[in-house]
Amino acid sequence: DPKIIQKPKYLVAVTGSEKILICEQYLGHNAMYWYRQSAKKPLEFMFSYSYQKLMDNQTASSRFQPQSSKKNHLDLQITALKPDDSATYFCASSHPGLGYEQYFGPGTRLTVL
Amino acid sequence: GDSVTQTEGPVTVSESESLIINCTYSATSIAYPNLFWYVRYPGEGLQLLLKVITAGQKGSSRGFEATYNKETTSFHLQKASVQESDSAVYYCALGPSNTGYQNFYFGKGTSLTVIP
Repeated sequence: DPKIIQKPKYLVAVTGSEKILICEQYLGHNAMYWYRQSAKKPLEFMFSYSYQKLMDNQTASSRFQPQSSKKNHLDLQITALKPDDSATYFCASSHPGLGYEQYFGPGTRLTVL
Repeated sequence: GDSVTQTEGPVTVSESESLIINCTYSATSIAYPNLFWYVRYPGEGLQLLLKVITAGQKGSSRGFEATYNKETTSFHLQKASVQESDSAVYYCALGPSNTGYQNFYFGKGTSLTVIP
C-alpha cells in the first residue's frame, strides 16, 4: 500500500486559475515537505512543516500556500497559476529520530496552459 | 551556497556493463552533511537507494555503492554490472546532519537506460 498519497497524479490548469495539490502520509511522520521539479532543473525545496507548523519557506511567491488540516496532511494551494508553475510537485515526510532520510510521494505533474 | 551537481543525462548502458554516475556537492551552511542517492522508477516516487552519514564511509544497496569523500566533496554512484531493471532516474542529495525538518538539496537527476 502506498505510504504517501498525492492527488491528482496529473493536473492541467489554465493561466490565472487556482488549484490544490493533495498530500497524505501514512508513515506516522511529524515533518512534511513540498518540493518542485521543473524541466531540466533540480528538485527544489519549497516548504517544511513540523507538527503542522510552518518551519521553513523557500518559495518567493505568496501564490503558493501550504495547508495542514491534519498532522498527516499537507496540501499545496496555488493561486493565479502561471505557465512557469508547470512542474512536478513532490510531497515528502520524515520523522526526526527515526533516520536521516525523507520519504517521497509519487508526485503531481502540473501543466499550466 | 549548498548545492549538488551530478552527471548530465541521459545515460545509456548495455546490460552487464559497469556504471558510474558522478556527484559532487557544496555544503557551505551544513557542517557535517549527510549524503543520499534516491532512485525514481517510471510512475513511482523517489525511493531511497542508499545513504552515508559519515565521511569516508561507503554505502551500498542492490549492487550499487557510493563512498562519501569529504576531500573531493564527491559521492559517486557505481555498479559493477547493471541490469535492465536498473533503468530509472537517479538523484544525488545533500541533507542536514540532524534529523529535523530541514530541507534537502538535490541534483537534477540522471536518467539511466539499460539496454538488454
